[in-house]
Amino acid sequence: AQKITQTQPGMFVQEKEAVTLDCTYDTSDPSYGLFWYKQPSSGEMIFLIYQGSYDQQNATEGRYSLNFQKARKSANLVISASQLGDSAMYFCAMRETGSGNTGKLIFGQGTTLQVKP
Amino acid sequence: DTGVSQDPRHKITKRGQNVTFRCDPISEHNRLYWYRQTLGQGPEFLTYFQNEAQLEKSRLLSNRFSAERPKGSFSTLEIQRTEQGDSAMYLCASSLMHKTANEKLFFGSGTQLSVL
Repeated sequence: AQKITQTQPGMFVQEKEAVTLDCTYDTSDPSYGLFWYKQPSSGEMIFLIYQGSYDQQNATEGRYSLNFQKARKSANLVISASQLGDSAMYFCAMRETGSGNTGKLIFGQGTTLQVKP
Repeated sequence: DTGVSQDPRHKITKRGQNVTFRCDPISEHNRLYWYRQTLGQGPEFLTYFQNEAQLEKSRLLSNRFSAERPKGSFSTLEIQRTEQGDSAMYLCASSLMHKTANEKLFFGSGTQLSVL
């Protein structure tokens, strides 16, 4: 069964520094996608970045990059030059595309990030 | 693109009452999902529709829960005989079906349910 694990309940980072949020996953499907979402206190889930299992390069989106290590089944999110507005909860999620591509995402427990001024 | 909208934003009800939530997805999206999220946890999948067909339901979805998407557009989630354990944020998301894993879900702001 697919599973996402985020082992850091809470993280602190100084403004303008980089921070890495950990995510490990488990799946037997060779074809899958990994996502990171941000959830500020307002509650809405905001898509940040996507990595496909067959992608040769690590994904990047502005200040966000994904450190994808397939053999270790990890997909860590790196936020560079942290801003106060980055304070939020961050979720790692996975979709399998094997038999029955339902499109649903399975989410981890989340990591709360606080950026200090 | 007006985004995914959910109504109401907040609902307070007494134990044993029925409640119904509505979700309006992004207009061209053919897939719609319901998730439940409790404080400090990640969203848990409840059910999903492709057009008007409900194609998957989680084991979390007891027989007190029912969801519909009658015309393949908006969806409703009804909880009958609410219990205190139903208190949670109910999130709706929509997407456009994609052949690969790169199918992004767009979420609404959720309905916060409190059962007293």
